[in-house]
Amino acid sequence: DTAVSQTPKYLVTQMGNDKSIKCEQNLGHDTMYWYKQDSKKFLKIMFSYNNKELIINETVPNRFSPKSPDKAHLNLHINSLELGDSAVYFCASSQDGRATGELFFGEGSRLTVL
Amino acid sequence: AQSVTQLGSHVSVSEGALVLLRCNYSSSVPPYLFWYVQYPNQGLQLLLKYTSAATLVKGINGFEAEFKKSETSFHLTKPSAHMSDAAEYFCAVKHSSASKIIFGSGTRLSIRP
Repeated sequence: DTAVSQTPKYLVTQMGNDKSIKCEQNLGHDTMYWYKQDSKKFLKIMFSYNNKELIINETVPNRFSPKSPDKAHLNLHINSLELGDSAVYFCASSQDGRATGELFFGEGSRLTVL
Repeated sequence: AQSVTQLGSHVSVSEGALVLLRCNYSSSVPPYLFWYVQYPNQGLQLLLKYTSAATLVKGINGFEAEFKKSETSFHLTKPSAHMSDAAEYFCAVKHSSASKIIFGSGTRLSIRP
């Protein structure tokens, strides 16, 4: 039973398209995150939600819009995809974003923009 | 501002040899520190964490790390490398009252037979 699950695992699309990645966690955690990992493995936080409230919003193009319908779900919608958006996107969750904050990661969604 | 620096983007050791992956942090207040491991095509998983208790922290798979405030370091070690240890390792830092965890650039560990 997967703790943090993301769909789809692979996404190949053309420039200019819009796509979404979904994430669900069954750990009962309060906080969820989106991280972007580039081709050099560098991990950068994008967004974080705590109980459906946006608490971290890094410098990310506004083509990226997170949505959290409830504390177990955090989706990422990307408009007008660009080549530079190609990366692996990881969803993660933690029990309390302001405590020791151990992160539990999904397996990633590899986005390729052609 | 917090940050971590991982020295060496790639480390190669022989099977059975000591593993040493280096991490230095920058933080104006005592931080929480983490080591995560990422196996190919998988997400990251926690190896160990330091949260201001014991300075020597033991983690999974025989790894341990020592918090040294005077050196602002949190190096990861394992006495004897195993082939299954080949992966990408990330050091990370978090301020106690902050929400976000900042990751280092990662170190790829290769194990030679």
